[in-house]
Amino acid sequence: QLQLQESGPGLVKPSETLSLTCTVSGGSISNPPSYWGWIRQSPGKGLEWLGSLYYTGATHYNPSLESRVTVSVDTSKNQFSLKLTSVTAADTAVYYCARDGLDCGGSACTNWFDPWGPGTLVTVSS
Amino acid sequence: QSVLTQPPSVSAAPGQNVTISCSGSNSNFKNNFVSWYQQLPGTAPKLLIFDTNKRPTGIPDRFSGSKSGTSATLGITGLQPGDEADYYCGTWDSSLDVVFGGGTKVTVL
Repeated sequence: QLQLQESGPGLVKPSETLSLTCTVSGGSISNPPSYWGWIRQSPGKGLEWLGSLYYTGATHYNPSLESRVTVSVDTSKNQFSLKLTSVTAADTAVYYCARDGLDCGGSACTNWFDPWGPGTLVTVSS
Repeated sequence: QSVLTQPPSVSAAPGQNVTISCSGSNSNFKNNFVSWYQQLPGTAPKLLIFDTNKRPTGIPDRFSGSKSGTSATLGITGLQPGDEADYYCGTWDSSLDVVFGGGTKVTVL
């Protein structure tokens, strides 16, 4: 059974870089070939997709955050990571990692996230 | 402001049926599939519906999904106290990639 777990600092100072890692267990990050994504949820708010990557390292990002977000993969460790630069208080949120079921074969795209990690709260404060 | 529009809340008594709407546009719903997520209080979202109307293994058939034009609907029949949660729709957008609705809080009266 595939399981994901986020890890990283729970407190980041304004203007610094937020770095999180998602460890995948119960399966391989590259077999079957899959996308993997990061989603966040600000306190009391809805879901916001940050970015996703294919196991090969190909990425796509939320256009509103693209200048600050980087997602990368380490297949040897069965992990993928998120970096968000120049953070502000508005970046305070619970950050989730999840498998991304993106498939744009044919004329339509399907996209879903399953399973999700339990989430990790990151607070941006000095 | 979310790209997909959901009602903030719906409520019903146990045993009743509810529907949650999710309104999009041609850039997302016209050609693409919809997913729905259930988020119980204090937990991570869980996939409820994918490919507009398919249920992952373990999701009861009380939950159903449909789409017509640029709107999608999640249906819950026989509402139970354990269904009290936030529900989100999501899909692929040709310009914005992955988009979600703002979420709907379901209250069991």
